[in-house]
Amino acid sequence: DAGITQSPRHKVTETGTPVTLRCHQTENHRYMYWYRQDPGHGLRLIHYSYGVKDTDKGEVSDGYSVSRSKTEDFLLTLESATSSQTSVYFCAISEGDRGDSPLHFGNGTRLTVT
Amino acid sequence: AQSVTQLDSQVPVFEEAPVELRCNYSSSVSVYLFWYVQYPNQGLQLLLKYLSGSTLVKGINGFEAEFNKSQTSFHLRKPSVHISDTAEYFCAVRGSGGYNKLIFGAGTRLAVHP
Repeated sequence: DAGITQSPRHKVTETGTPVTLRCHQTENHRYMYWYRQDPGHGLRLIHYSYGVKDTDKGEVSDGYSVSRSKTEDFLLTLESATSSQTSVYFCAISEGDRGDSPLHFGNGTRLTVT
Repeated sequence: AQSVTQLDSQVPVFEEAPVELRCNYSSSVSVYLFWYVQYPNQGLQLLLKYLSGSTLVKGINGFEAEFNKSQTSFHLRKPSVHISDTAEYFCAVRGSGGYNKLIFGAGTRLAVHP
């Protein structure tokens, strides 16, 4: 385990409600990522951060926003949850931004939007 | 842009048999290649990585992979599988220059039967 804690681990929410997922790391790594995992799609990048208050979009960012006010915390917010956002969400961290820096993953948050 | 194709969505195999999980990638630049394993209800764990040098890479749990640049492949192999190898395996690619995102394949579910 690379010192990554995701909370909550499971959440059920209703369509249209806001949801915030939290990723907390104890490694002091600069780079943090949010992915979603869906059958047949592998993992797809939602947003990533390359420092405090520095974030950028991934390939499936619509409907999601992120914030990073401290090195250790990276929040993912669904402003108005939809059923298509039912998924397993993974946070990851890496020490560097070079291609040879592997990512280390948390244990995921299973989100169900009813 | 990079992409990854895992050629088999599911691979059933008997215990102690050899296994190969196939991965092809496409990229216009030099790449780094990774295999991750995901056990049920867990996050992804780095199995092995190819950065440079020898094309045969050894990882944890007796797995190895061979980088073939001419065929743009990075197949994962194990000479004798165990029940505990039952998991989902993800191939991933990342460009070697500057900052590049980690792109995942759709995953291969390995089911080892007694």
